[in-house]
Amino acid sequence: NAGVMQNPRHLVRRRGQEARLRCSPMKGHSHVYWYRQLPEEGLKFMVYLQKENIIDESGMPKERFSAEFPKEGPSILRIQQVVRGDSAAYFCASSQRTGVGEQYFGPGTRLTVT
Amino acid sequence: AQKVTQAQTEISVVEKEDVTLDCVYETRDTTYYLFWYKQPPSGELVFLIRRNSFDEQNEISGRYSWNFQKSTSSFNFTITASQVVDSAVYFCALSEPIDGKLIFGQGTTLQVKP
Repeated sequence: NAGVMQNPRHLVRRRGQEARLRCSPMKGHSHVYWYRQLPEEGLKFMVYLQKENIIDESGMPKERFSAEFPKEGPSILRIQQVVRGDSAAYFCASSQRTGVGEQYFGPGTRLTVT
Repeated sequence: AQKVTQAQTEISVVEKEDVTLDCVYETRDTTYYLFWYKQPPSGELVFLIRRNSFDEQNEISGRYSWNFQKSTSSFNFTITASQVVDSAVYFCALSEPIDGKLIFGQGTTLQVKP
């Protein structure tokens, strides 16, 4: 029973490039959450998705960031034209049900922008 | 608005000492969930406990115990007879039942010295 998978685990991008972070939820989970952990800070909610729907994107920066969770395949967090301030650990969590469900976290993707 | 405060930024103890990590939360919801996660130096997030707002019973799991007091909006975490392997960052979090997103505290870094 595989847990939440994230890849890549480490990603290095130069300023101006695009970063794509992938998250495969646990089997049977249709709810995905993305969180960002900036250096020396706590985790901040970014976006909540269900299959083919963005439910809450109140934590997403207004520009350059987008997320999707297609009917088939993993959830993708996309960052266009990365800047140094995007360097962080990005965690994905999945849940079987909203609200009452425990969120199981993936190992995270550590993005470094050079 | 929901908020979680972990006033202790860093705590250092000597092995076998007991240590309590404080967590105070704010919410207007009557139904909510509280969590503790551990983030060891390897970086992943390890789920420790979830409590709902209607269950104020204290919980013990081995050397770990949690004290939930609605009257003071606190959900404190105690490690008894601490060990070096307990060294990590510990996060307290609050979720609301509507969409389940987690609001994290800033985290408490616990260092257990041999």
